[in-house]
Parts: sequence; structure tokens; C-alpha cells
Amino acid sequence: GAGVSQTPSNKVTEKGKYVELRCDPISGHTALYWYRQSLGQGPEFLIYFQGTGAADDSGLPNDRFFAVRPEGSVSTLKIQRTERGDSAVYLCASSLWSGAGELFFGEGSRLTVL
Amino acid sequence: SQQGEEDPQALSIQEGENATMNCSYKTSINNLQWYRQNSGRGLVHLILIRSNEREKHSGRLRVTLDTSKKSSSLLITASRAADTASYFCATDGGAQKLVFGQGTRLTINP
Repeated sequence: GAGVSQTPSNKVTEKGKYVELRCDPISGHTALYWYRQSLGQGPEFLIYFQGTGAADDSGLPNDRFFAVRPEGSVSTLKIQRTERGDSAVYLCASSLWSGAGELFFGEGSRLTVL
Repeated sequence: SQQGEEDPQALSIQEGENATMNCSYKTSINNLQWYRQNSGRGLVHLILIRSNEREKHSGRLRVTLDTSKKSSSLLITASRAADTASYFCATDGGAQKLVFGQGTRLTINP
């Protein structure tokens, strides 16, 4: 596709459930980033990949959060045992390579944990 | 954690006026970027200024950078109703990731 695609756009789940959020970056972009944005706040860094490997996962809040990018393209953010505090918009972005400058963002996946 | 702090948090002006937003940051940077976000949408890149640049223009946008004060400003001239959005500064400190500020919510009144 022409831009970064994220699915689902909205996800409502119950506390304790497992959730997967998917990101399909711009073709040819080797760097992929996950951010989380709470209402009225700026995006907060979670993790980024250069190729298939997680180059920096220092922003993941705890071990309930995990992300993969097995073939260096599509990435999945996985959240286990969801908590109400996980409710936020999860944004994915890609760039030609890490440090290339401009990030191209998707529309985000809005997660609501009841 | 947030690196940048935008000021003001919210700004409301009349169409045709200029809008100025400021960003302060804490650590040394390679570059600073400004992004725009319409309500409920993703972020869109506006402009990038490198640490060795002091001013940059793009259409109606003017960005300045003062590394000695660790601050940047974004000026939107001749504002339009369609400029209504949140604006974020983001810094690249060399760790290959962008750190965003809290944002300024700009409202342009017709």
C-alpha cells in the first residue's frame, strides 16, 4: 500500500485478555516504530525495529508487552493480560532506515480495555 | 518519558493571524522535527531542522532552532481553519528514535 496500515483501527477487550495489533509499513522501509499515545498526550516510544531485530525496546512498559517483525516487514505488537491502563492509541511508524529522519505514521489502533 | 515541552498547551487565534508554538528540550540533539495531528488521526511530518541549522522555511511554516537554549519555535503564517490540529515537536538525540513533546492544540477560528 501507499502508506502505513494498522489493524484493527479499534479494539475493545476485557481486562485480562490477550490482544494483537498489526502494522504493515511502507514497502522498502527497513525501520519500524511503535508508539503509544494517551488522550491529550504526545506519542510515547515503545520499541523500534531495524530489519527483523528489535534495536531498542526500552520503552516497553513491562513484560506483558512484546513485539515481533519476523520477516522485516509486517510487525505485531502483542499485549498479554491486558489492564485498563493499557487503553490508548497505539501508533506505528516506518522510515527508510533508523535515523533517516522523517517518520511516516499509520492512523493508529485505538485499544479500550474494559 | 517526554523530552520536549511545548508552549502553549493550547492556542486559539483568528483565521489569517500568525500562530507561534515553542518547544524546549533537555538533551543534545541531532535534529528536531515538527509533526501535525488532526483529531483521531495519525501524525504527519511537517519539517525537520538539523542541529547545525538555525532557521528553515517550508511554505507558510517557519522553524527556528536555538541549541544554546535548547529550544525551537514553529511559526504558521496566515493561518487557515484547516490548520486546526495538534502540533508536536520531536527530538532525535542520536539513539535512532524520536522523543515527542506533549503538543500544542491549535484552534483557528473562522
